[in-house]
Amino acid sequence: DAGITQSPRHKVTETGTPVTLRCHQTENHRYMYWYRQDPGHGLRLIHYSYGVKDTDKGEVSDGYSVSRSKTEDFLLTLESATSSQTSVYFCAISPGVDTQYFGPGTRLTVL
Amino acid sequence: AQSVTQLDSHVSVSEGTPVLLRCNYSSSYSPSLFWYVQHPNKGLQLLLKYTSAATLVKGINGFEAEFKKSETSFHLTKPSAHMSDAAEYFCVVSEAGSDQLTFGKGTKLSVIP
Repeated sequence: DAGITQSPRHKVTETGTPVTLRCHQTENHRYMYWYRQDPGHGLRLIHYSYGVKDTDKGEVSDGYSVSRSKTEDFLLTLESATSSQTSVYFCAISPGVDTQYFGPGTRLTVL
Repeated sequence: AQSVTQLDSHVSVSEGTPVLLRCNYSSSYSPSLFWYVQHPNKGLQLLLKYTSAATLVKGINGFEAEFKKSETSFHLTKPSAHMSDAAEYFCVVSEAGSDQLTFGKGTKLSVIP
């Protein structure tokens, strides 16, 4: 799948705990994205990055932060998880203004 | 602002019959349009994309889509459905020169044996 891995693939956590999801790519693409997928909503953009230490907010960024200290890694952090953040999270990469390629997803459940 | 409407949330066809998944879009400028497929518990895979070249776009697994500017549509078709086509399909739009994607809400395709 275009050299993208996500970890963990599944996680169950409790309300109020911090959670970090990792996206790792081997394609050396500049652009990386985090989306969440919820039934009836398609995918919605959380945050994106155009390079190391260059990140910006997407449509549904409240409650999330990101970091990108290396080209290959893009981390998504939920500082204090809430039940509304139960979702499937997808990372995507792109060489530029072009097709995005998606990772396998992380299923997060917040109890 | 761009938007996408997938006109059917669920489509059911018999194996061997044609598939039609409908998508209308709204975009201020010349859009790029994509169809992605998601099989159960999997990531999204690109089926095909339109980027202002030929209006009839051929994708993988026998799918194709036609860009109709006058109708602001980008419907996905396949002449003969296969059981392995059962999945959720997403129509996606981006403005020309932009990397920001807007997803439709998805159409779930069921294929009946």
